[in-house]
Amino acid sequence: QKEVEQNSGPLSVPEGAIASLNCTYSDRGSQSFFWYRQYSGKSPELIMSIYSNGDKEDGRFTAQLNKASQYVSLLIRDSQPSDSATYLCAVRYSSASKIIFGSGTRLSIRP
Amino acid sequence: EPEVTQTPSHQVTQMGQEVILRCVPISNHLYFYWYRQILGQKVEFLVSFYNNEISEKSEIFDDQFSVERPDGSNFTLKIRSTKLEDSAMYFCASSEATAEAQYFGPGTRLTVL
Repeated sequence: QKEVEQNSGPLSVPEGAIASLNCTYSDRGSQSFFWYRQYSGKSPELIMSIYSNGDKEDGRFTAQLNKASQYVSLLIRDSQPSDSATYLCAVRYSSASKIIFGSGTRLSIRP
Repeated sequence: EPEVTQTPSHQVTQMGQEVILRCVPISNHLYFYWYRQILGQKVEFLVSFYNNEISEKSEIFDDQFSVERPDGSNFTLKIRSTKLEDSAMYFCASSEATAEAQYFGPGTRLTVL
């Protein structure tokens, strides 16, 4: 059974600080990794995709992938109250078209 | 910016009735997906569709479910005889290629009474 694990939170971070979200996955054959943001009652919104080891930066967001440790993380710099949401880690395994989601980490940015 | 659209936003039905959920994927995308999310639970994969056929499906996607691309723009999910446990948010998604990111529509909230 392929699993994607996340700490459910809530993770509370002061405004302006760095929020760090973590995710582990069970299958070494994984090829594609995604972070989605989901506001309550809304659909998942793509933030970042990452396919190779290392860091990938997009604005205030940095995704980090370590395939040897089967670990992917998302850093949010200069956190804003509008960043308060559930962050979903998703993984696509090799030869599959589906992505498997973690249960999400609830992030709260306190003013 | 192109986006996935879904109709209706909310569907209420009686147990045993058939429902059809509709989606318009992003126009240059070739891969289409349905996921569902029961309240408070994970987003779960149902089915993927490419080149007018199902490419992958989960064990949730049993004989009560079917998908169709009836024309060049729409992609539908049919549930033949709804059950109480089918109540969930249903999300359509699309991607340019199988390895690429999937973009989600706003969802249809299905309530089975």
